[in-house]
Amino acid sequence: AQKVTQAQTEISVVEKEDVTLDCVYETRDTTYYLFWYKQPPSGELVFLIRRNSFDEQNEISGRYSWNFQKSTSSFNFTITASQVVDSAVYFCALRGLGVSQGNLIFGKGTKLSVKP
Amino acid sequence: DSGVTQTPKHLITATGQRVTLRCSPRSGDLSVYWYQQSLDQGLQFLIQYYNGEERAKGNILERFSAQQFPDLHSELNLSSLELGDSALYFCASSVGSGSADTQYFGPGTRLTVL
Repeated sequence: AQKVTQAQTEISVVEKEDVTLDCVYETRDTTYYLFWYKQPPSGELVFLIRRNSFDEQNEISGRYSWNFQKSTSSFNFTITASQVVDSAVYFCALRGLGVSQGNLIFGKGTKLSVKP
Repeated sequence: DSGVTQTPKHLITATGQRVTLRCSPRSGDLSVYWYQQSLDQGLQFLIQYYNGEERAKGNILERFSAQQFPDLHSELNLSSLELGDSALYFCASSVGSGSADTQYFGPGTRLTVL
């Protein structure tokens, strides 16, 4: 079975602090894709990044960076110098191959609150 | 703005009623997906259509049905509504139907069943 675990339910930081959101996944597929989405208070789901299982290079986009470690089945997300606008719920998701290809498996989400 | 549109934004109805949620995918996208987000179940995949045909099915109740029309817009029909159907319903779209395709989500329709 496929599963995504985001153990941190809520995190609260003060502006300019760095914060890491953890994501651990389970899958038997050798090829799979991992995603992060952001859900701000307005409610929409915003795509942040996609990573395939064969690419373990870390990725940086501005203040955002992602650390993919296949050995520990983790795909963690770090926000550097957090800002109030980063306050949102962040979801990690997994999509494998197989019959139900449409099936994005989401974690329960981590609610990040950044205080000024 | 993802380019995926959903109407209506909010819907309030009574138990036993039937509602239709509408989704227009991004220009050029052939796949449409429906997800339900509730406090207890989180984000759950319901169903996927690709170019008018059903491609994958998730935890969709028999009281729910969907279809994708020739112009690629999709509708999700929810009938015999129960209090537990109150949730945020998202539509997403992608270019293709494969696992590598990124799904872009619409703003959602918030359904409240009273």
